[in-house]
Amino acid sequence: QSVLTQPPSASGTPGQRVTISCSGSSSNTGSNTVNWYQQFPGTAPKLLIYGNNQRPSGVPDRFSGSKSGTSASLAISGLQSEDEADYYCAVWDDSLNGWVFGGGTKLTVL
Amino acid sequence: EVQLVESGGGLVQPGGSLKLSCAASGFTFSGSAMHWVRQASGQGLEWVGRIRSKANSYATAYAASVKGRFTISRDDSKNTAYLQMNSLQTDDTAVYYCTRLQASAWYNWFDPWGQGTLVTVSS
Repeated sequence: QSVLTQPPSASGTPGQRVTISCSGSSSNTGSNTVNWYQQFPGTAPKLLIYGNNQRPSGVPDRFSGSKSGTSASLAISGLQSEDEADYYCAVWDDSLNGWVFGGGTKLTVL
Repeated sequence: EVQLVESGGGLVQPGGSLKLSCAASGFTFSGSAMHWVRQASGQGLEWVGRIRSKANSYATAYAASVKGRFTISRDDSKNTAYLQMNSLQTDDTAVYYCTRLQASAWYNWFDPWGQGTLVTVSS
């Protein structure tokens, strides 16, 4: 059971906008910034969003992040087939004194 | 090119030990905090622990699930971090990734990640 709650799956058709939620608590998402990682099967995670809404260089602006209260969201606009992957949120937890991850969301492009 | 390369994974019996290595290149390893994250097959990511830099006294911290069994160390002269795993259990079976914690004035994030090394605990 993950400390951060993500929907196990999400889907959309090419060109659509999809959002993936990440729900935590006051000790993690409520007090620290959230990062998002993208992972393709058999490969290592890759940084997608840091600091709630900052995009590293090289990440398309189709990807955006936001946070409100104890929940964060990742939005992908103009969905493309190559976006099909697993997405994880991550944040520092002040109570556990460690990093926690969401359970991951498998995005399917229909 | 910024790169992390893990090695040392393999098959080990329950109760056994294994030591993983993470070789870094392309960035100032000695000034970086290094973390280990694992992923069981078909499962999500789980933070294992971290070691800070010399400037931060090489402080270590661990997840509750591995505390007392796993030890993280580093050799800055070799640009390498290590994960010593003792008293291994079947549920320690996972791909183990090392990653660098990057920090700005306001944010912390993991980047880059190594390719991972598979540890299988089985009799």
